[in-house]
Amino acid sequence: GAVVSQHPSRVICKSGTSVKIECRSLDFQATTMFWYRQFPKKSLMLMATSNEGSKATYEQGVEKDKFLINHASLTLSTLTVTSAHPEDSSFYICSARLSQGLDIQYFGAGTRLSVL
Amino acid sequence: GQQLNQSPQSMFIQEGEDVSMNCTSSSIFNTWLWYKQEPGEGPVLLIALYKAGELTSNGRLTAQFGITRKDSFLNISASIPSDVGIYFCAGRAGQGAQKLVFGQGTRLTINP
Repeated sequence: GAVVSQHPSRVICKSGTSVKIECRSLDFQATTMFWYRQFPKKSLMLMATSNEGSKATYEQGVEKDKFLINHASLTLSTLTVTSAHPEDSSFYICSARLSQGLDIQYFGAGTRLSVL
Repeated sequence: GQQLNQSPQSMFIQEGEDVSMNCTSSSIFNTWLWYKQEPGEGPVLLIALYKAGELTSNGRLTAQFGITRKDSFLNISASIPSDVGIYFCAGRAGQGAQKLVFGQGTRLTINP
C-alpha cells in the first residue's frame, strides 16, 4: 500500500515551546490530509481536515490558533502545536487520502508528544 | 453527528480460533475501511470495501459491506499471535464526504 511518513515519531518538549510535526505522502499525491489525536485506549479523534492550498477545517472544540496546520504541497502537511502545555501531551496521527482511483486513506505511524 | 458502533470492545481468544467483529451505523456509508493498530503505531489498512454486498478477503481476513450499507463485519480465521492489536472500522458517508467516521475499536488478545 501507499506510504505516509510522519516525523518525528516521538518528541519531548518543555511547556511553552512549539512543536512541529510533518506528514508526507511518499508515493502519491494527497489533496486532502487529516490530523487526529488519540488518547490511551481510545479511538482516533479527528482534529482537522487539511486541503492543499487552502485553510484547514477544524473540528468543533479544536483551537485553530493552538494547532496550526499548513498543507503547502500535495505531499506535505504540517501540524504545529503552539505554546504546548502538559495537557497537549498525546499521540498525534496524520493520514492522507488518495486523490485518484480508489477511496483509501493511509495513516502515518504517529507522533508521541510529551510536554513537561 | 454520525457514529459507528463497533463490537465487541474486546476479545480474549485462544490461538487458532476464528474471530468476528462488526460495525453498525445509523446512516448509510459509501465506503467501509478496516484498520489494525498496534501499540505506538498508526492504523494500518487491512481491507477496503466500496459496494453494498461486497465480500473481500486479504489472507486470513475477510470483510463484508452490508447490503443495507449501514454495517460491515471483519472475520479473522485461524488466529495467530501476531493478530493481536486493536481493530478499527471506519466509514465514509455520501459522495464528496471527506471525513472518516471511526468505530471505538476492538481489542484482540490471543492466548497461545
